[in-house]
Order: sequence, then structure tokens, then C-alpha cells
Amino acid sequence: EADIYQTPRYLVIGTGKKITLECSQTMGHDKMYWYQQDPGMELHLIHYSYGVNSTEKGDLSSESTVSRIRTEHFPLTLESARPSHTSQYLCASSEPGGIYNSPLHFGNGTRLTVT
Amino acid sequence: GDSVTQMEGPVTLSEEAFLTINCTYTATGYPSLFWYVQYPGEGLQLLLKATKADDKGSNKGFEATYRKETTSFHLEKGSVQVSDSAVYFCALSDGTGGFKTIFGAGTRLFVKA
Repeated sequence: EADIYQTPRYLVIGTGKKITLECSQTMGHDKMYWYQQDPGMELHLIHYSYGVNSTEKGDLSSESTVSRIRTEHFPLTLESARPSHTSQYLCASSEPGGIYNSPLHFGNGTRLTVT
Repeated sequence: GDSVTQMEGPVTLSEEAFLTINCTYTATGYPSLFWYVQYPGEGLQLLLKATKADDKGSNKGFEATYRKETTSFHLEKGSVQVSDSAVYFCALSDGTGGFKTIFGAGTRLFVKA
């Protein structure tokens, strides 16, 4: 059972609209991440955060932005959606303490379609 | 930089067959290694992990051994079930990389009854 929640699960939206994908976790994890998963299944890190007021861009350039005002909440925003943003977006978190052998805990994802 | 290479799929097996999904890695430090599984319509779940050389991770009948000499972490299961049909991702996390996790491209497994 997921302790990390993403809403909505599915979103179909027109080009040019502003959208926010929500992600919340109840585990008190400091580190949170957003991955984009393409249809070929490959995962690309687009944003991450090491704690409140910390956000960094990931390995794949993305037009989205993120914020981390509260530990448990890590929303992703697209100011103007385009068809190229159509993808599955996965949010994840990992335990605090700086230990790199902590696994990631994933939400169930948001599947975004931009028409 | 760090990278993970896993065998391409899809892999199609009959129920009760033996499964191997190959995974090799490149890392500058001493990474931890993971296998994650993604069932249809869901996010990824941790399947097993190993944190140092010669460690064996195991869960739900799946096993993988951290082989530093061959830089490999192959996933095995002795007898697959239809319910094992999913996408499997090999991954590494290396403290020198800012604690980010690097994923392989994923291998889709189909198990037929």
C-alpha cells in the first residue's frame, strides 16, 4: 500500500493549459523526486529535492517547475502544456540520513495526455 | 558517469519456467544495487536490494547477487507465475552521484499459463 500519493491518476488537457500534478508522502522523507516515464518504459529524472526549500533540476531537461514548501508535499507544475509533455509522471521519496542505500518509494503515477 | 545496462525485452516464458534477467553496471564508487518491479498501471516497487559485494538480495522467490568482479546483478527466479508478469528495472545508487538513483531501461516479462 502506497504511502506516497499522486493526483490525479489520469489527466487529459488541451494545449496551453496550466497544470499542477500533486505528490504527497506521509513517511517524513526528506528526499523527493519526479521521474518522467516514456512509452518505452525508460525513467528520466526531471526534478529532485533534498528538503524544504531545496529543488534541483534532474538529468532530463524539462519545462516543468517544482516547489517544496512543506516536507510532505512536492507538486510539479507545467505553465503551458504541450503535446510533447504527454507522458507518465512518477513521484518518489527516500529516507533521510544521507544514506545512499535507501530505496525509492514510488507513487502510482499520473498519466498526462495533452491534446 | 554511472550507468546500468539490462537485457532487452520482452521476455516471454511459460509458467514454472526459470527466469534470468541480466543486469550490468558501471560506477565510479561502491554503489548499492536494486531491482524494482512495475505492475501494469502502478508505480515502481522495490523488489530486492544489495549494498555490498557478494550480498544476495531476495524477496518473493526472486534473487540477485552483487558481483563486483563482473559488475553484475542478475535477477533470477526458479519458477515464474503468471502474476510475475511486469516490467523489471535494475538500478544503482551511488553516494558520489549525489544520492541519485540510476535506472536501466527496464525489461518487460510476460508469463503464459
